[in-house]
Amino acid sequence: EAAVTQSPRNKVTVTGGNVTLSCRQTNSHNYMYWYRQDTGHGLRLIHYSYGAGNLQIGDVPDGYKATRTTQEDFFLLLELASPSQTSLYFCASAGGTQDTQYFGPGTRLLVL
Amino acid sequence: GDSVTQTEGLVTLTEGLPVMLNCTYQSTYSPFLFWYVQHLNEAPKLLLKSFTDNKRPEHQGFHATLHKSSSSFHLQKSSAQLSDSALYYCALSAYSGGSNAKLTFGKGTKLSVKS
Repeated sequence: EAAVTQSPRNKVTVTGGNVTLSCRQTNSHNYMYWYRQDTGHGLRLIHYSYGAGNLQIGDVPDGYKATRTTQEDFFLLLELASPSQTSLYFCASAGGTQDTQYFGPGTRLLVL
Repeated sequence: GDSVTQTEGLVTLTEGLPVMLNCTYQSTYSPFLFWYVQHLNEAPKLLLKSFTDNKRPEHQGFHATLHKSSSSFHLQKSSAQLSDSALYYCALSAYSGGSNAKLTFGKGTKLSVKS
């Protein structure tokens, strides 16, 4: 089974704060994704990448930046956090365009 | 663009009764459809995905049939179990060339099975 890890698992910050969420996959997958999950909205794609240095915009990108530094590592950056970004964030990876996505355990972010 | 519509909200069933969760989609391209399941305090994981050769995928007693004529991929099980209580997502991947590889998820259906 593919392995995807996320850190931190829980994070509390204040409005205007700077937050970086980290994701690592150890399966040499090309594709990595960042989602947020909110009740009533399901899983919504923020950003994704198909390789180191590549970044694609997802469906809800406003207020988020992302960077893929290596094949394994994908970061989500909130430079001026707002309460509306309080959510559960999942990272996922996949080998190809029609392949199964493997999700990490999630990061709970609370913006006060 | 692509979109997925699921049975919204909460579906409550008694153990032993059949399960059917609806999923319909819109896509410009020929899509692959997926069902993901998320148990409480866990990450989503794949339950089923459609095949290119129209075979019916099955897993853990669940099955789904892709009907292109009606743009549907409903999830079914003949007899619900307490352990089936979870959040279910239908998702679509429509390859439009290049490196486009994103899934479009529905909003999810929460299934609660009671004894």
